[in-house]
Amino acid sequence: QAVLTQPSSLSASPGASASLTCTLRSGINVAMYTVYWFQQKPGSPPHFLLKYKSDSDNQQGSGVPSRFSGSKDFSANAGILYISGLQSEDEADYHCMIWHSNTWVFGGGTKLTVL
Amino acid sequence: EVQLVESGGGLVQPGGSLRLSCAASEFAFSSYAMAWVRQAPGKGLQWVSSITSTGSSTFYADSVKGRFTISRDNAKNSLYLQMNSLTSDDTAMYYCVKGYGSGSWGQGTLVIVSS
Repeated sequence: QAVLTQPSSLSASPGASASLTCTLRSGINVAMYTVYWFQQKPGSPPHFLLKYKSDSDNQQGSGVPSRFSGSKDFSANAGILYISGLQSEDEADYHCMIWHSNTWVFGGGTKLTVL
Repeated sequence: EVQLVESGGGLVQPGGSLRLSCAASEFAFSSYAMAWVRQAPGKGLQWVSSITSTGSSTFYADSVKGRFTISRDNAKNSLYLQMNSLTSDDTAMYYCVKGYGSGSWGQGTLVIVSS
């Protein structure tokens, strides 16, 4: 079982909201981790969006709109990237990451389609 | 603006070696840990290796341990990745990344391992 699991794809309409999940493997408690989120558009490198550990311990990337926010779902043991007011430019791949045992661990990424 | 420029990628035969470089500018390179992250064509992100700001500690993914060596020259503001015993599984875009996850990424250099 992968350490981090992301749905491979998600579709949403312009103006709507989207919640992208990053589920941690059983036995790895999301409460203990900072979850990092990256956006990647075709042909470009990933771009840091934000990191979230708690409401009092989080950081927005430079220039990242407040439409992007992080949270956690403790019942699902997951990190959440919430995007409100979806725009066509938000169509991209989204990757989550945690630090685990002195390594960076990435999820498989979610392709968000805005249509 | 932070600049990270990777170089050294190319086509190499299985079993061969390559040395990647990352030239950093517009930030205090010697104050930051650095990392290499790769992305196989059409796949997700995979952390490869990290190095602390002084170079005193290095960390590797299990898939490259014993074959890859990360290093840095703070006098030259440069990060390196020596890759030996390359296999087709190492085919990927290799990104140089500043810091521990919330920093900038370079544009990447493509490594293709093929006969």
